Amino acid sequence: SAVISQKPSRDICQRGTSLTIQCQVDSQVTMMFWYRQQPGQSLTLIATANQGSEATYESGFVIDKFPISRPNLTFSTLTVSNMSPEDSSIYLCNHHRSGINSPLHFGNGTRLTVT
Amino acid sequence: GNSVTQMEGPVTLSEEAFLTINCTYTATGYPSLFWYVQYPGEGLQLLLKATKADDKGSNKGFEATYRKETTSFHLEKGSVQVSDSAVYFCALRRSAGGTSYGKLTFGQGTILTVHP
Repeated sequence: SAVISQKPSRDICQRGTSLTIQCQVDSQVTMMFWYRQQPGQSLTLIATANQGSEATYESGFVIDKFPISRPNLTFSTLTVSNMSPEDSSIYLCNHHRSGINSPLHFGNGTRLTVT
Repeated sequence: GNSVTQMEGPVTLSEEAFLTINCTYTATGYPSLFWYVQYPGEGLQLLLKATKADDKGSNKGFEATYRKETTSFHLEKGSVQVSDSAVYFCALRRSAGGTSYGKLTFGQGTILTVHP
């Protein structure tokens, strides 16, 4: 399975600023996804990063707040814009390849704290 | 829509005890089912998976069987260790096709603490 590298692994940011998180996969994958895990909570899907087109956002998430890029089949970025303390979470990316038995692995995540 | 329900935690066990964490799901078609584990301060790791009814996923002494008749995927381990202390997430992925393919739906997570 493809290995996912995510960076930064953690960051502490001031409110009102923005942070861009990078997700690199070591081989081409069909789909990449971004999830958020708020403190003590489960994972919630933010959006699907589509190669060559705009990301597809889940209900409750908007492009202005979480702009996503997917310039090729191995890389994606998620930006958390105009941050507030409520954005303090772990942000994780994962990938999927075509094929029903393709497992879904995650990067180690980015632990974001907004002060 | 798809949903996953896990037994509420936290679960506290003594070392070598038997573990069961219940997971039931609601989905159309034939989803794939997964258990993920998150150790303290770490990311999410795939623990085991099953892609069709009656499949049994297993890894590191953990097992779960895909039961379509009861829409369940309960996680079991015969003898837990202190090192198994973590948060366990049950998840499903839609079987194939459509805009939801590849997306994971997670349960709320179950905290497991194992004491020596």
